[in-house]
Amino acid sequence: EVQLVESGGGLVQPGGSLRLSCATSGFTFSNYGLGWVRQAPGKGLEWVSTFSTRTYYADSVKGRFTISRDSSKNTLSLQLNNLRAEDTAVYYCARYQNTVTSIFDYWGQGTLVTVSS
Amino acid sequence: DIQMTQSPSSLSASIGDRVTITCRAGQSIDNYLNWYQQKPGKAPKLLISDASNLQGGVPSRFSGSASGTDFFTLTISSLQAEDFAIYYCQQSYTIPTFGQGTKLEIK
Repeated sequence: EVQLVESGGGLVQPGGSLRLSCATSGFTFSNYGLGWVRQAPGKGLEWVSTFSTRTYYADSVKGRFTISRDSSKNTLSLQLNNLRAEDTAVYYCARYQNTVTSIFDYWGQGTLVTVSS
Repeated sequence: DIQMTQSPSSLSASIGDRVTITCRAGQSIDNYLNWYQQKPGKAPKLLISDASNLQGGVPSRFSGSASGTDFFTLTISSLQAEDFAIYYCQQSYTIPTFGQGTKLEIK
């Protein structure tokens, strides 16, 4: 069974940092692209970042967020720096249906990041 | 980035109704269009990929189609109680972008 489990969310002050993790299981980690999608409270879905054959970032987070993956632990991470109020959202980890095509076929349950003083 | 525009933003319908949600891309995206369903407090669920490819386990009352390479439709042939949710389209032609969502409510 494919599983993605996010962790690391919480309350952080503006300008602060947080590291999100996504533990995966049930599939061959290296065979799939993985990404982060966020959803601000009461809003729609916004793609944030992807790690497939290379890394990609939304313009809104470029230079502040860094995506990485650890194949030895089957884990995807997202380092969030210089956080802003508008980064407040539930962050979902999602798997690509293959290596490169951004069809998100499995999702985690999400982890809430709240940026507030 | 490719803008995705869904219509309508919200929709009220009754059990048994046939419902159509549309999604227009800001440019040609071939058939790289996916549909997701999201229920309150839950992660999105992939329903249809590549415009019309129904995912395993998704009821056959859901279908997707394309008109050209920039206009797409999600159809629910006979609404069931469990279908009331928010639906999103998403293009996978380039860097992924989502539509703003369509909230399907009970009339």
